[in-house]
Amino acid sequence: TQLLEQSPQFLSIQEGENLTVYCNSSSVFSSLQWYRQEPGEGPVLLVTVVTGGEVKKLKRLTFQFGDARKDSSLHITAAQPGDTGLYLCAGRTGNTPLVFGKGTRLSVIA
Amino acid sequence: DAGVIQSPRHEVTEMGQEVTLRCKPISGHDYLFWYRQTMMRGLELLIYFNNNVPIDDSGMPEDRFSAKMPNASFSTLKIQPSEPRDSAVYFCASSLMTQDTQYFGPGTRLTVL
Repeated sequence: TQLLEQSPQFLSIQEGENLTVYCNSSSVFSSLQWYRQEPGEGPVLLVTVVTGGEVKKLKRLTFQFGDARKDSSLHITAAQPGDTGLYLCAGRTGNTPLVFGKGTRLSVIA
Repeated sequence: DAGVIQSPRHEVTEMGQEVTLRCKPISGHDYLFWYRQTMMRGLELLIYFNNNVPIDDSGMPEDRFSAKMPNASFSTLKIQPSEPRDSAVYFCASSLMTQDTQYFGPGTRLTVL
């Protein structure tokens, strides 16, 4: 069974601070995705990374896929209250369905 | 285009009752997924369909759970009889191909008393 461990589980920070959340596994993934989920809604895809060492930027969000394709990180610069939500990572091996981590619940306080 | 549509958005029922959750995927998407989300276990895949055919139901917790997809635009997840431990948010998602982006519906929050 492929497991994705996300840390921290909860994070509460002040507006303007930087933060990094992590997604780790002992399995190698062919691709890894990050989703954001807001209260009362379903997860929404933010990014997909497929190459070891790959870095993608989405405005103030920076995503990195580990060289060995077993881990990933999400860094947010100058967090804003609109960044509040549950951040989920999900990995896939080949043609198998996505496996999700339990998520990091981020709260950005104004 | 409308996204994935789920109904009802909230369901409160008593233990032992039958519960039916409904999903309409995005038109043209060949894959449909049912997930369950709880604080303890996170987002778990229950079953997924390709072209209306169930491909993998290994995530279905037990025989009380069943899912059908009678046509390309409709799927149901049924729990009979329901138990308090079934309380969770149930999501439906669809995608063009299995490796493509999954689009999630807003979910059905189920409470079994």
